[in-house]
Order: sequence, then C-alpha cells, then structure tokens
Amino acid sequence: RKEVEQDPGPFNVPEGATVAFNCTYSNSASQSFFWYRQDCRKEPKLLMSVYSSGNEDGRFTAQLNRASQYISLLIRDSKLSDSATYLCVVNEDSNYQLIWGAGTKLIIKP
Amino acid sequence: NAGVTQTPKFQVLKTGQSMTLQCAQDMNHNSMYWYRQDPGMGLRLIYYSASEGTTDKGEVPNGYNVSRLNKREFSLRLESAAPSQTSVYFCASSPRGSWGRETQYFGPGTRLLVL
Repeated sequence: RKEVEQDPGPFNVPEGATVAFNCTYSNSASQSFFWYRQDCRKEPKLLMSVYSSGNEDGRFTAQLNRASQYISLLIRDSKLSDSATYLCVVNEDSNYQLIWGAGTKLIIKP
Repeated sequence: NAGVTQTPKFQVLKTGQSMTLQCAQDMNHNSMYWYRQDPGMGLRLIYYSASEGTTDKGEVPNGYNVSRLNKREFSLRLESAAPSQTSVYFCASSPRGSWGRETQYFGPGTRLLVL
C-alpha cells in the first residue's frame, strides 16, 4: 500500500502563533494533493488543494515539494477555531484511490 | 440542501449479525464512496461507485457488499459482522468521479461497534 505519513501530534500552539506541519508521500508518481480538516467526531472537509506552485487561502498556505516528496501546511495567526485534525491526502493519476494520512492533531490554546 | 446523509448514526451489533448502512446525497453527484476510519490510520476505501449502475472494490472490501440503488443512494451491507469491523464509516460523494482531482463531500459518519 502506498504510504502517506504525518506526525500525529498533538501540536499545542498558543493563539496567534504560526504553525506548520508536513506530510510525506511515498509514490513519486502522485499527481494531486489536498489538505482536509476533521473536527473531533465529525466528517472530513476539504481545506484546500495543493498546487505545484503553492497556494494561499487567507491564513493558510500550502506548498508542494516534489523533489523531497512532501507537502506542507502553514497556518498564520492561529485561531481557537483552527483546533482540529488535519488530514493529508494524495492521489496517483493512474489510480482511482485517494491515499489518506492518519492526520496531525492541532490544539490552539488561549 | 442536506448534502450527504447517513443512517444510522450509531449501531451496536453482535458478532454474526447483519446490517445495512444507508447513504444518500442530494447534490446530483455521479460518484459515491464508502470509507472506514480506524484510530491511528488514514481513511481506507471500502467500495466506490463511479456512476449509477457501477460499483468497484476499494482497498478493504472483504466482509462488505454495496448497492448503488439509484443516483442518490449508495448502501453498505455487512452480512456477518466481526469485531474487526468496529469502526467509523463515512460515505462520500463527488461530482464527476475524476478520481481524486475533485473535492469529496462526506456524510456525518456511522459509529459501529461489533461485540
């Protein structure tokens, strides 16, 4: 099974701080990359897709490093509402399946 | 719009019992999926349906069957439940089934405990 690895955390971060975490993937042929967010005991929801050139959505920035086979998520000015588990998701174009990481738990403290 | 709905929300079964998990979406999506989520592991695909009338096995299909009843509904059946099937089950849908290039929308999940 192709692997997507994430640090499970938890990352305990004070409100207002910047936090970043990475996700590594094993298949160099992977083509599509995503970050999903999952609140406790809830369903996953798409946070953002990750493009080759990197992309930003408000306080969130996603980067792709194909040479080292990892994607990253940076959260600036963190809010209490950012507390969640962040799931890294990878797709290989030749395969219908999404490969999901087990998630990184983020806790924002007041 | 309700999006993706799942029933039941919780279920406790005894080993050997059967049950069907129901899923429906009102977004006119072509593709639907069943996943299971276990502690410390990523979501794993059980079965998927690219479009109405088709179903295919995912990564962990053993012990499960599915039915794509119509475009809206996709059910998952456990014929003889085992403790290893204790998990949280998520149904998801996506618009066109462009295999991983588009957003998947998830239902709220079904928490299943098999004793």
